[in-house]
Amino acid sequence: DTGVSQDPRHKITKRGQNVTFRCDPISEHNRLYWYRQTLGQGPEFLTYFQNEAQLEKSRLLSDRFSAERPKGSFSTLEIQRTEQGDSAMYLCASSLLGDTYEQYFGPGTRLTVT
Amino acid sequence: QKEVEQNSGPLSVPEGAIASLNCTYSDRVSQSFFWYRQYSGKSPELIMSIYSNGDKEDGRFTAQLNKASQYVSLLIRDSQPSDSATYLCAVNAGGTSYGKLTFGQGTILTVHP
Repeated sequence: DTGVSQDPRHKITKRGQNVTFRCDPISEHNRLYWYRQTLGQGPEFLTYFQNEAQLEKSRLLSDRFSAERPKGSFSTLEIQRTEQGDSAMYLCASSLLGDTYEQYFGPGTRLTVT
Repeated sequence: QKEVEQNSGPLSVPEGAIASLNCTYSDRVSQSFFWYRQYSGKSPELIMSIYSNGDKEDGRFTAQLNKASQYVSLLIRDSQPSDSATYLCAVNAGGTSYGKLTFGQGTILTVHP
């Protein structure tokens, strides 16, 4: 399967703990995006990378959130000192740099903070 | 005003009918427009993209774009129960944020036999 993959698919953590999610994009895609989705809402943009460079980070994103894409391939999203409001589906997408920027999503990581 | 607005529905249509889903956006410099289908508990799946004014057809799906009116729509012909899902309209931000998608809240579609 050459689609976007994410790990883990589900994560339950206690408030105050740190969590890290991984995303592996479609192999030839040089852009990688992170979104967050809560129930009944559309995905909300968090950040994106072009190769290893982080080009934009949402102003809504707390300093507790950090993302990396060190070698321009897979990416990690870390949330420090989790809060109950962080409970959501975390989605990763990838695209080619080009005229269309069609983004393809992975299956997501569902985070529950208790 | 939300950047991308959709009627949240639910929209209910009988099997075989045409389902019409609408979306408006506020950023005039937006260049690319997408429709995603999302089944309950799953991630969004890209079904249509459109970049120029007019219609674009792909099988039972037709996307329509009117940049002057800042309006995008999706028509689903011969609707099937398997089309029951949430449909998300997404707009590619213009300017320096080109590439980032802004989503509407989605329209829930139910196709009943």
